[in-house]
Amino acid sequence: DAGVTQSPTHLIKTRGQQVTLRCSPKSGHDTVSWYQQALGQGPQFIFQYYEEEERQRGNFPDRFSGHQFPNYSSELNVNALLLGDSALYLCASSPQVGLNTEAFFGQGTRLTVV
Amino acid sequence: DAKTTQPTSMDCAEGRAANLPCNHSTISGNEYVYWYRQIHSQGPQYIIHGLKNNETNEMASLIITEDRKSSTLILPHATLRDTAVYYCIVQTGANNLFFGTGTRLTVIP
Repeated sequence: DAGVTQSPTHLIKTRGQQVTLRCSPKSGHDTVSWYQQALGQGPQFIFQYYEEEERQRGNFPDRFSGHQFPNYSSELNVNALLLGDSALYLCASSPQVGLNTEAFFGQGTRLTVV
Repeated sequence: DAKTTQPTSMDCAEGRAANLPCNHSTISGNEYVYWYRQIHSQGPQYIIHGLKNNETNEMASLIITEDRKSSTLILPHATLRDTAVYYCIVQTGANNLFFGTGTRLTVIP
């Protein structure tokens, strides 16, 4: 079992550009959540996908959007990149919304906006 | 709103038990206490979670007070590999976790 995999591992983009990050959940998991972690801070919840729909959302602007595919993989899209979007983006998967069980995290994508 | 309070940092001697406290005085009846840790530049790793009873697994023990307003994560025999940031999280489900700033645990040889 490969666990949660994210791609790419590192990315450099220019301010104003758009970026797409990808996540494959752990086998058997159908719920995917995305987090942003700025340097020195704890991860912040962006949104969660289940059954191909956004179910919950944190305090992030509409520039942050996502998608979940029928195979449960997910993408995070960020438009009009700002310097402040530079962070580690983490994907987490878990089996089913609402169950009290652990989330499994990927290793993250390090995004640098210049 | 992380709903938890943790010390910023702690040290522990290698081989000794590490006891990491967490206050969650506003916890609701259906909210679980989760512990995750994050080793530098890696994704967070699940450790343990519980509702009201004490829990133990191969990694750690979780002691929750009877009033559920605080808890302690115990690493019974800390090793250098346990050096990490430890997050205590109160949440109704595993899927959207609200992390605070955590406790930076340093295990000293």
